[in-house]
Amino acid sequence: GAGVSQSPSNKVTEKGKDVELRCDPISGHTALYWYRQSLGQGLEFLIYFQGNSAPDKSGLPSDRFSAERTGGSVSTLTIQRTQQEDSAVYLCASHQTRNTEAFFGQGTRLTVV
Amino acid sequence: GENVEQHPSTLSVQEGDSAVIKCTYSDSASNYFPWYKQELGKGPQLIIDIRSNVGEKKDQRIAVTLNKTAKHFSLHITETQPEDSAVYFCAASMGNQFYFGTGTSLTVIP
Repeated sequence: GAGVSQSPSNKVTEKGKDVELRCDPISGHTALYWYRQSLGQGLEFLIYFQGNSAPDKSGLPSDRFSAERTGGSVSTLTIQRTQQEDSAVYLCASHQTRNTEAFFGQGTRLTVV
Repeated sequence: GENVEQHPSTLSVQEGDSAVIKCTYSDSASNYFPWYKQELGKGPQLIIDIRSNVGEKKDQRIAVTLNKTAKHFSLHITETQPEDSAVYFCAASMGNQFYFGTGTSLTVIP
């Protein structure tokens, strides 16, 4: 596609349920980041994938959060046993290579009720 | 790790006036400084960036300046228009990690 695509655009889930958020990066981009943006706040780094290297998971807030990137392309962010404090917009960004322009998706707005 | 501070958090200007947003960073190894504009309900989009070997860069009404010694960089928007109203984020990067500022909500009053 022409840009980074995220799905779903909105997700409402009950506390305690698991959710999966999907990111389709720009074809050929080797770097992929996930960020969390709480209401009116900045971008909180979650996890980074670069090619076939081991991901940098240093930003994941708890072991309920995990992510994978299959075949160096599509990435899925999974939140297990969701809590109300997980409510936020989750943004995915891809880069052609490291330390270059980030192309962001439109985000997934997660609401935990 | 890197620490990026951004000021002000909110900014209102009259249409046609200039707007300036400032960021400071802590790690002298940072060498790439992009600025992003985020409109309501959308993901951030790059509007201008600068690398550490350059002191200033301009693109029409937008300019960015970098002072490596003082570790600060600024976004300048001239002749502001209502469509410039958005949240602006600065970032500093030294390789794998991008460190974002907390954002500035800019309102241009017609």
